[in-house]
Amino acid sequence: DVKVTQSSRYLVKRTGEKVFLECVQDMDHENMFWYRQDPGLGLRLIYFSYDVKMKEKGDIPEGYSVSREKKERFSLILESASTNQTSMYLCASSQGARGAFFGQGTRLTVV
Amino acid sequence: GESVGLHLPTLSVQEGDNSIINCAYSNSASDYFIWYKQESGKGPQFIIDIRSNMDKRQGQRVTVLLNKTVKHLSLQIAATQPGDSAVYFCAEGGDRDDKIIFGKGTRLHILP
Repeated sequence: DVKVTQSSRYLVKRTGEKVFLECVQDMDHENMFWYRQDPGLGLRLIYFSYDVKMKEKGDIPEGYSVSREKKERFSLILESASTNQTSMYLCASSQGARGAFFGQGTRLTVV
Repeated sequence: GESVGLHLPTLSVQEGDNSIINCAYSNSASDYFIWYKQESGKGPQFIIDIRSNMDKRQGQRVTVLLNKTVKHLSLQIAATQPGDSAVYFCAEGGDRDDKIIFGKGTRLHILP
């Protein structure tokens, strides 16, 4: 079975903290994605990566960075967390131009 | 000032009836289209996809229709069941890269 695993289901961080969200996939997929999901706004793409050490900005990259040192792992980094980054974060992976498979999500609260 | 959030469109369907969820996509160069189902507390789950060179594709109890002329995508669910209650997202991708862009979603509510 396809599996995308996000390291935490729930996370509470303080304003200004550096936050790492980790995502691992076991399908040897080329592409990995980070989205955030907010009520009424759907899923918005933050960053995606189509190969190791490659990254592309999505629609809302401001305040975030990513790291893909290994094919199976894609990390989302909040350099200095702010309250407007409180959200549900979803990681996904896909192979080529195919539908993506999602992790369970990380609900991040910044206080 | 007060910010007003966008409300998710809701479709209410009687159990046993067919459901049709519609979606307008934005990029005429998109190469493939996907429907996802998201249940409460879970990540989106892939349902069915369709390539731009097709206008219809069927799965188990689901059918996706693509009308490229008006950039419209629909998901038909036959004999809707309580377990179909979820938010449904359409997504498009495959223009210049494999980036997948999602629509806002529609909540499907099943009436007993």
